[in-house]
Amino acid sequence: QLQLQESGPGLVKPSETLSLTCTVSGGSISSSSYYWGWIRQPPGKGLEWIGTIYYSGSTHCDPSLKSRVAVSVDTSNNQFSLKLSSVTAADTGVYYCARQRVENWGLFDYWGQGILVTVSS
Amino acid sequence: DIVMTQTPLSLSVTPGQPASISCKSSESLLHSDGRTYLYWYLQKPGQPPHLLIYEVSNRFSGVTDRFSGSGSGTDFTLKISRVEAEDVGVYYCMQSIQLPFTFGPGTKVDIK
Repeated sequence: QLQLQESGPGLVKPSETLSLTCTVSGGSISSSSYYWGWIRQPPGKGLEWIGTIYYSGSTHCDPSLKSRVAVSVDTSNNQFSLKLSSVTAADTGVYYCARQRVENWGLFDYWGQGILVTVSS
Repeated sequence: DIVMTQTPLSLSVTPGQPASISCKSSESLLHSDGRTYLYWYLQKPGQPPHLLIYEVSNRFSGVTDRFSGSGSGTDFTLKISRVEAEDVGVYYCMQSIQLPFTFGPGTKVDIK
């Protein structure tokens, strides 16, 4: 059974960089059949797609975040990561990692449980 | 960006009764490949979202047939034939025809 687990600091100071890692178990991140994505949810609000990466390192990110976001993949450790720079309180929320199908990349079929990140001094 | 809107934003349903959620997109979700990239996700309280329906009307693996999706172009509907207590949560429509992927604001469903 595929599992995804987010990890990283739960508290980040304003203007600093938020760094999260998603560890994939029960399957290979190097599969040609899947992309890997990040989605976030501000407290009490809806879902926002952040970015998506393929095992080759090819990425797609929300243009509104593009200057601040970086998504990377570490195939040797079966992980992918998110870095979001210059954070503000508006970046507070639950961050999810998820698997996406290559033939239908809107299809997020497995999700991590999410990690709450608070931006505060 | 494609804007997704949903109505209603909240819905209180008697168990056993049907429910319907509407989703509209600001642009057509029909791709030149003939597929329509509209999805429905359900987020139960305290859980990550999970997929119910993909490409308008296809139930994802393990999803009960009480859920059905329909629509075309810019107008879509999710129907629950007989609401059960386990169906409570927030329902989101989402599009993937164009980046960035965008979600609707969500429809909160609870039980009367």
